[in-house]
Amino acid sequence: AQTIHQWPVAEIKAVGSPLSLGCTIKGKSSPNLYWYWQATGGTLQQLFYSITVGQVESVVQLNLSASRPKDDQFILSTEKLLLSHSGFYLCAWSLRVGPGNTLYFGEGSRLIVV
Amino acid sequence: QQKVQQSPESLTVSEGAMASLNCTFSDGTSNNFRWYRQHSAKGLEVLVSIFSDGEKEEGRFTAHLNRANLHVSLHIREPQPSDSAVYLCAVNSNNRIFFGDGTQLVVKP
Repeated sequence: AQTIHQWPVAEIKAVGSPLSLGCTIKGKSSPNLYWYWQATGGTLQQLFYSITVGQVESVVQLNLSASRPKDDQFILSTEKLLLSHSGFYLCAWSLRVGPGNTLYFGEGSRLIVV
Repeated sequence: QQKVQQSPESLTVSEGAMASLNCTFSDGTSNNFRWYRQHSAKGLEVLVSIFSDGEKEEGRFTAHLNRANLHVSLHIREPQPSDSAVYLCAVNSNNRIFFGDGTQLVVKP
């Protein structure tokens, strides 16, 4: 069975400090990986996606970056946090091929920037 | 760009009564649609996927798609308090997935 694990579960960080959120998928080879962001009370927005190791495409510019150092790992980061980065970050995976793109989500990481 | 709108914003139903949620989208070329559920700012779980006009049932969840009317709905049969959550409509358009703002469903015992 596939599992998706995100870390940390929650974090409070100061404006201007660095951030790193991680996501690991087990039990699925070469998945498509995604980062989504949800501001409090806001719409879920896709930030990045990756179809293979080392390749990441940006969808929305939020002064964040993403990397895929391994097939099963997706990292979201920034060197300087903004207040507007607060929210809920969700990692998801989907099959590389198949009927459509059902997304399977992790439990999310809540970020509060103060 | 695809616009996905959900209604109502919130819905309260009694346990056992049918719950109906609506979703409209702007891009008529979209070819796959999903309903997700999110409990208290946790990860999303997929409920039902639908790819062609008509009806698709997954347990107590039934999706209806009418692409001519740019409309997809979700009906929850015999809802229970544990079904209380935010329900999100997701529309795949040009290989991107666009989400609605969600409907907050409360099921009262």
